[in-house]
Amino acid sequence: DTGVSQNPRHKITKRGQNVTFRCDPISEHNRLYWYRQTLGQGPEFLTYFQNEAQLEKSRLLSDRFSAERPKGSFSTLEIQRTEQGDSAMYLCASSLGDNTEAFFGQGTRLTVV
Amino acid sequence: RKEVEQDPGPFNVPEGATVAFNCTYSNSASQSFFWYRQDCRKEPKLLMSVYSSGNEDGRFTAQLNRASQYISLLIRDSKLSDSATYLCVVIKTGANNLFFGTGTRLTVIP
Repeated sequence: DTGVSQNPRHKITKRGQNVTFRCDPISEHNRLYWYRQTLGQGPEFLTYFQNEAQLEKSRLLSDRFSAERPKGSFSTLEIQRTEQGDSAMYLCASSLGDNTEAFFGQGTRLTVV
Repeated sequence: RKEVEQDPGPFNVPEGATVAFNCTYSNSASQSFFWYRQDCRKEPKLLMSVYSSGNEDGRFTAQLNRASQYISLLIRDSKLSDSATYLCVVIKTGANNLFFGTGTRLTVIP
């Protein structure tokens, strides 16, 4: 499968725990995006990487959220001290360059109990 | 004001009907436009790009009106399998992310 891959697909965690999600983009894509989606809403942009550089992170929801892409390939999104309001689908997407369409992974569904 | 606005619907149409969705965007510097389709509890998937001259792909036609800052999607001869949420997406010049609308929910009824 050469598409965007996300792991895990589902995560249930207790409030206050830290969680980390992984995204493997399409191999030749240098841009990688993280989005969050809640029921009835469109995907909400969180952050963006071009290769290993995080070029946009002002829309991360709070300082509990952080993302990395250390070698310009896979990326991780970490949420510290999870809250019930963090429950959502977290989507990763990748694209080839400027103004090109993005391809999404199947997402990680987070439930905070 | 949101970057991208869509009527959330729902639109309930009979099989064979023609249905149209509009989407407005706030920034005139927006440069690239797309329609994505999202099935329930699945990821968004690219349906089609929207070109300045308008473009067609089978039963689907997309148009862009830069002067009025809106894009449209027309679906002809609706099929049951067209039932999904249709997301309008805009890339703003100089920005590094895709802005999504809320999505318009379509249900095609037998």
